[in-house]
Amino acid sequence: QAVLTQPASLSASPGASASLTCTLRSGINVGPYIIYWYQQKPGSPPRFLLRYQSDSDKQQGSGVPSRFSGSKDASANAGILLISGLQSEDEADYYCLIWHNGAYVFGTGTKVTVL
Amino acid sequence: QVQLVQSGAETKKPGASVMVSCKTSGYTFTSNDINWMRQATGQGLEWMGWMSPRSGYTGYAQKFQGRVTMTRDTSTDTAYMELSNLTFDDTAVYFCARGINRGCDFWGQGTLVTVSS
Repeated sequence: QAVLTQPASLSASPGASASLTCTLRSGINVGPYIIYWYQQKPGSPPRFLLRYQSDSDKQQGSGVPSRFSGSKDASANAGILLISGLQSEDEADYYCLIWHNGAYVFGTGTKVTVL
Repeated sequence: QVQLVQSGAETKKPGASVMVSCKTSGYTFTSNDINWMRQATGQGLEWMGWMSPRSGYTGYAQKFQGRVTMTRDTSTDTAYMELSNLTFDDTAVYFCARGINRGCDFWGQGTLVTVSS
């Protein structure tokens, strides 16, 4: 079982909200972790969107719109990336990242399609 | 502005080594770690290791231990990643990225390494 699991794909309509999950493996509690989120479009490097530890400890990437926001769902043991007001330009792959046991671990990635 | 500019595409034969460079600008090179990742075509991101430009200390993912070496030249603000004993499975785009607070922010544009006989 992967350390970080993301849904393979998600589709939504323009203007809708999309909630992307990054679920930590059973036995690894999301609470202490800083979760990073990246957006990657074909042929481009990942772009840093935001990091989220708590509502009092979070950082937006440079130039990243506020419609991208982060949170955690303790009951689901997951980090959440919420994209509000989806736009066609949001169509991309999204990855989460944590520092775990002395190594960086990426999530499996979610492909977001804007219908 | 912060920039990381990587060297160009490489084609290598199995068993050979490849070195990718990552020239930084727009910030103090020794203030942030440099991380290296790779991504095979159509696949996800894989972390390879980190290096502290200040001290030269490194930490490598277990998968690459013994095969990867990360170094730096502080006179040119450039980081290097060398991967040896290449196999076809090492064909991928390799990225460098600046480390911040248990994550990465700015990324290089990527370097395609193709292993072909």
